[in-house]
Amino acid sequence: EAGVAQSPRYKIIEKRQSVAFWCNPISGHATLYWYQQILGQGPKLLIQFQNNGVVDDSQLPKDRFSAERLKGVDSTLKIQPAKLEDSAVYLCASSPPLGRGAPASGANVLTFGAGSRLTVL
Amino acid sequence: GDSVTQMEGPVTLSEEAFLTINCTYTATGYPSLFWYVQYPGEGLQLLLKATKADDKGSNKGFEATYRKETTSFHLEKGSVQVSDSAVYFCARMGGGYNKLIFGAGTRLAVHP
Repeated sequence: EAGVAQSPRYKIIEKRQSVAFWCNPISGHATLYWYQQILGQGPKLLIQFQNNGVVDDSQLPKDRFSAERLKGVDSTLKIQPAKLEDSAVYLCASSPPLGRGAPASGANVLTFGAGSRLTVL
Repeated sequence: GDSVTQMEGPVTLSEEAFLTINCTYTATGYPSLFWYVQYPGEGLQLLLKATKADDKGSNKGFEATYRKETTSFHLEKGSVQVSDSAVYFCARMGGGYNKLIFGAGTRLAVHP
């Protein structure tokens, strides 16, 4: 099966500019995640969608970050205006809905894309 | 809150050495546990998982056992190869609907 697709792979912008990242999840995966991975740290969840609804956006800096998942398939993550501390790799992941192909424990495996590396100068 | 703590790196080993990367978690209940690996220039890949206490996950010669008594999920491999050089992340489910919480990662460098 095709994996999680992300673009662009690399982006360099100046602070206060805007940037958008795109993600196409694995076909049939109802849940989509955006994680931020700062150099030397573990990934941190920014936002989680179930179909086209937001399940968790508690760690999304809503004054500058926004995300949408129209039609419950692909998703975009936007940063406007960017700050120096936004330099990171933005990872998109997807997982099937619970109860469909999930183990008895109910925990579904997340499949990650290759990431989009953002450098803010 | 829910968290994952793993040993700091880098871990530097010679080829064929024994590997242990420690991971502990805080938890309410018994979350599913995972090890992900990130090779240079690539995305995160699932290495192994365990969904309940005393389960052993294994893949590519790596193993980890879910220890509820010590809230640990240490990663081990009997004989590492140069190709195992990567960053390893321990993770747990928790804090919401199918949400992964990651540790900070441990970089492994294996020399010939």
